[in-house]
Amino acid sequence: GAGVSQTPSNKVTEKGKYVELRCDPISGHTALYWYRQSLGQGPEFLIYFQGTGAADDSGLPNDRFFAVRPEGSVSTLKIQRTERGDSAVYLCASTTLGERLYFGPGTRLTVL
Amino acid sequence: GENVEQHPSTLSVQEGDSAVIKCTYSDSASNYFPWYKQELGKGPQLIIDIRSNVGEKKDQRIAVTLNKTAKHFSLHITETQPEDSAVYFCAASYNSSASKIIFGSGTRLSIRP
Repeated sequence: GAGVSQTPSNKVTEKGKYVELRCDPISGHTALYWYRQSLGQGPEFLIYFQGTGAADDSGLPNDRFFAVRPEGSVSTLKIQRTERGDSAVYLCASTTLGERLYFGPGTRLTVL
Repeated sequence: GENVEQHPSTLSVQEGDSAVIKCTYSDSASNYFPWYKQELGKGPQLIIDIRSNVGEKKDQRIAVTLNKTAKHFSLHITETQPEDSAVYFCAASYNSSASKIIFGSGTRLSIRP
C-alpha cells in the first residue's frame, strides 16, 4: 500500500517568507508526527497529533511554527517569517498504537 | 524531558565483522527503545525495537540489548554486509497509546569491502 507522502520534496524560499509543508499519512494511522533533521543530526521532535488534536507540541521552536490536522488525516506544517536557521529536512511520520513510526521521504527546506 | 545520547558518531568495520552502537537515555520512565536505519535521501526505517520488560531481542543478524539500571541500550550487527552501510539512530519514549519519541544524534556506519 501507499506509504507516507510529503510535498513538496524541495522548497526554496527567501528569508521572511511563509511556507507550508504537507504530509499525507498512511490511511488509518491515528497518530502523526513532525520532526526536523539538520545535516548530520538526528530527527528533532516538533509536534505529534493524536487524531485532530496536537497531543504534544513541546518541540515547536517558537510561535513562527504551527501545525494543523483538521480532519485527522493530512497535516500541514506552517512556518511564518522564515529564517535561514529554519533550513533543514522536515520529516513526517505516522503510526497506529504508538509503535513503529513510518516516515515519509521528507521536505528539504532551504531559506536563502 | 528525555535526552538520548548516541556513540560513536562514525563507525567503519570490515565486511563480515560485527558493529556495535551504544545509547544512553535520561528518563527512567522511558520503556520503549526503537532503532532506525536511514539511507541517503530517505526517511528513517525501523529495524528493531525493544521494550523495558526484556533485556535482549534478536532478529537474524541484528540484536538489541537493554540495561534498565544503567539506562543503556545497544545495537549489535553481526556478519556485516555492504548493504548495512547507512546512518543508524536509537530512540526512546514512554509508550502509551502514542507519545513523543526522542532520537539520538546518529551513527554513520561504513562497511569496508
